[in-house]
Amino acid sequence: ETGVTQSPTHLIKTRGQQVTLRCSSQSGHNTVSWYQQALGQGPQFIFQYYREEENGRGNFPPRFSGLQFPNYSSELNVNALELDDSALYLCASSLLVTGELFFGEGSRLTVL
Amino acid sequence: TQLLEQSPQFLSIQEGENLTVYCNSSSVFSSLQWYRQEPGEGPVLLVTVVTGGEVKKLKRLTFQFGDARKDSSLHITAAQTGDTGLYLCAGVYSGGSNYKLTFGKGTLLTVNP
Repeated sequence: ETGVTQSPTHLIKTRGQQVTLRCSSQSGHNTVSWYQQALGQGPQFIFQYYREEENGRGNFPPRFSGLQFPNYSSELNVNALELDDSALYLCASSLLVTGELFFGEGSRLTVL
Repeated sequence: TQLLEQSPQFLSIQEGENLTVYCNSSSVFSSLQWYRQEPGEGPVLLVTVVTGGEVKKLKRLTFQFGDARKDSSLHITAAQTGDTGLYLCAGVYSGGSNYKLTFGKGTLLTVNP
């Protein structure tokens, strides 16, 4: 176990809906990164949060947004869901911006 | 666009056999990592390599970083059923954002008893 917990583990939404995914980072870690892993693909970087600020972003549209809270837990929000958003969403915490990533088990999102 | 190619995509072998999987890019990495991911779980870091030509061993797993830091290999000796999983390589590109890992698609390894 990495100490990174994600919720919910599975969820089903329909096109156009909004979803919020949650992540509790490992104790002492101040950085959270979010990745999207589509079926048969490797994880793709969405964005990273460091001390409650977005530190960097991958090639994802603005309808993917996030937050980090004072306790360093984090949320990923996706608006106007599309079928292609169906994927495993992975959260990873680290002690530093460039530190070793500890991944949670992911949230499996299915968009119908 | 920086692409990280992994081969083979799928590999099915018998317990006790040896295997090698590869990770290649046309760009230089400042560091490269190998992960193993099991069904229903997130990736778990196996090793990080940073120096061209570097070789690291983790029990029956041997990791090599190419001299030019554009490629890497993972060799497993005497595979066991517990080695079954998705092996992902991921790199931080030299000159790129140092917090962003670029992953390959992975090699899905099945070790049969």
